[in-house]
Amino acid sequence: DAGITQSPRHKVTETGTPVTLRCHQTENHRYMYWYRQDPGHGLRLIHYSYGVKDTDKGEVSDGYSVSRSKTEDFLLTLESATSSQTSVYFCAISEQEYTEAFFGQGTRLTVV
Amino acid sequence: GEDVEQSLFLSVREGDSSVINCTYTDSSSTYLYWYKQEPGAGLQLLTYIFSNMDMKQDQRLTVLLNKKDKHLSLRIADTQTGDSAIYFCAENSGYSTLTFGKGTMLLVSP
Repeated sequence: DAGITQSPRHKVTETGTPVTLRCHQTENHRYMYWYRQDPGHGLRLIHYSYGVKDTDKGEVSDGYSVSRSKTEDFLLTLESATSSQTSVYFCAISEQEYTEAFFGQGTRLTVV
Repeated sequence: GEDVEQSLFLSVREGDSSVINCTYTDSSSTYLYWYKQEPGAGLQLLTYIFSNMDMKQDQRLTVLLNKKDKHLSLRIADTQTGDSAIYFCAENSGYSTLTFGKGTMLLVSP
């Protein structure tokens, strides 16, 4: 894998609690992304970052926020988790705007 | 809006060729990608093609692009049981954000 570490790899949390997922890269790539994968939907973009402190929304951003204070870390926060946010979350990185994206191993989040 | 469509399932015998098809809608896409996902794993980039190309070959993989029809295909020659996985087609939607199809599950039987 292209130097991408997601943590935690698995998490079970209760409805209404805040949750933060971390993506750490060692490739010094400019672009970082959070996707979620759900049966019947493929992967959908939540948020992405095109530089430190530069982020933008994706297709399914409601209920999520992100922060990127360092090149290597991109955090995804669920302010108040809901059962509809049960999913597998993937972080990805890309060196430049039109280069390929490399994915982490995923975080399986269950909201009960 | 942007949309990527794939057939959901393909079953082949070991040694046969597999062809996975994809259609996309964004005519401004510059790159199109094929990713492979094995159970419980992340996505592995298999290959990609630039929009000004018609074909790209990489060992057992052949990608064909028909830009007029917005049709992309992935051919796997001499398919092996280890090729069993879900294959995703994706188009670049700007800032290297990707729009994915729902994935095609390839099952290879001995």
